Amino acid sequence: GAVVSQHPSWVICKSGTSVKIECRSLDFQATTMFWYRQFPKQSLMLMATSNEGSKATYEQGVEKDKFLINHASLTLSTLTVTSAHPEDSSFYICSARDLQRYEQYFGPGTRLTVT
Amino acid sequence: AQRVTQPEKLLSVFKGAPVELKCNYSYSGSPELFWYVQYSRQRLQLLLRHISRESIKGFTADLNKGETSFHLKKPFAQEEDSAMYYCALSGRNAGNMLTFGGGTRLMVKP
Repeated sequence: GAVVSQHPSWVICKSGTSVKIECRSLDFQATTMFWYRQFPKQSLMLMATSNEGSKATYEQGVEKDKFLINHASLTLSTLTVTSAHPEDSSFYICSARDLQRYEQYFGPGTRLTVT
Repeated sequence: AQRVTQPEKLLSVFKGAPVELKCNYSYSGSPELFWYVQYSRQRLQLLLRHISRESIKGFTADLNKGETSFHLKKPFAQEEDSAMYYCALSGRNAGNMLTFGGGTRLMVKP
């Protein structure tokens, strides 16, 4: 089946630094990728929709200057958390939509801890 | 606006007992409904979708448009069914993006 990978799976950074998270569709092309945030014991909250070659669409309340999304190719989208703060600590999950099957496949997630 | 509600955060049953995880939605139009499952330390994965009308791992779900529900059912729960279950909705009104419910943790006791 279709596989989505995320890198890194776990990252610790200091407050004020930036962190980049990669999301790759390994065996299919994804014109659309989604970025979610999941707090402990809570559901996934959509942060933004990333379309290849165009600007991402952010959900209400998500700061686009803080969460920079780049979708440069049909298999790669990146989320950069800029000037991270402890409240940005969370589990970030990406998903990619396979146009041929019109189904979303989820990555394993990236746990970000900001100290 | 589209919304998905899972009223139970936790559902605990004994092995062999029937299971029903509730899901209600609000959406103006014809939505697509999904159930996703997340086993411990694993990624979120699709369990089933309403348009497929299939049974996966013994689970079924019927879309009831009158009651705007998409409850997930299994007649005999197994311990390996213990996981987080998320009901999700996708619709053309919102660019086909997924909206997730709050999730229900199913615990199947031996």
